[in-house]
Amino acid sequence: KNQVEQSPQSLIILEGKNCTLQCNYTVSPFSNLRWYKQDTGRGPVSLTIMTFSENTKSNGRYTATLDADTKQSSLHITASQLSDSASYICVVRTTSGTYKYIFGTGTRLKVLA
Amino acid sequence: GAGVSQTPSNKVTEKGKYVELRCDPISGHTALYWYRQSLGQGPEFLIYFQGTGAADDSGLPNDRFFAVRPEGSVSTLKIQRTERGDSAVYLCASSLSGIHAETQYFGPGTRLLVL
Repeated sequence: KNQVEQSPQSLIILEGKNCTLQCNYTVSPFSNLRWYKQDTGRGPVSLTIMTFSENTKSNGRYTATLDADTKQSSLHITASQLSDSASYICVVRTTSGTYKYIFGTGTRLKVLA
Repeated sequence: GAGVSQTPSNKVTEKGKYVELRCDPISGHTALYWYRQSLGQGPEFLIYFQGTGAADDSGLPNDRFFAVRPEGSVSTLKIQRTERGDSAVYLCASSLSGIHAETQYFGPGTRLLVL
């Protein structure tokens, strides 16, 4: 069964600190992996998109990595800010003849002053 | 330009009623997606449109759910005989052409509560 699992479920860090969020997936066949940021009450906003051949991609203070062999991805946030408080969702797209996106349940990050 | 918009932002209805949720994608985007997000969960894929046609409707949970996009722009998600379990946030997203590595832009969602 196609699944995307994220850890930790929730995380609290102090402003200025770094953190890393994990995503493991069993989706096959694989097309691409995305990380989204979702503020409370808002729709998700795309941070990064990585295809099979990409190992790392950065977007400002956000850096995503992908290991397609072990089916793992991580999102590293550097020098966290209060505005980073949100849910971070990992999404894997499959190419199984359809256009399905399989979403993880997200990691809820809280950055404290 | 304007992003994806959805109306209404909130909808409260009674069990058994019919509801329509509207999505206005970004102008020029041919691909449109509907998702459902329950509290504390990630979004769940419902249906994907490429232009006017539903390219993939395999995520629709049952035949009470139906979506249309008659002119390839605005889309309406229709839910018949609503049940309490239909309560969720319904998210719409659009992308330029629907190719695999393309960015999806999400709307703010419609919060549906079935009493």
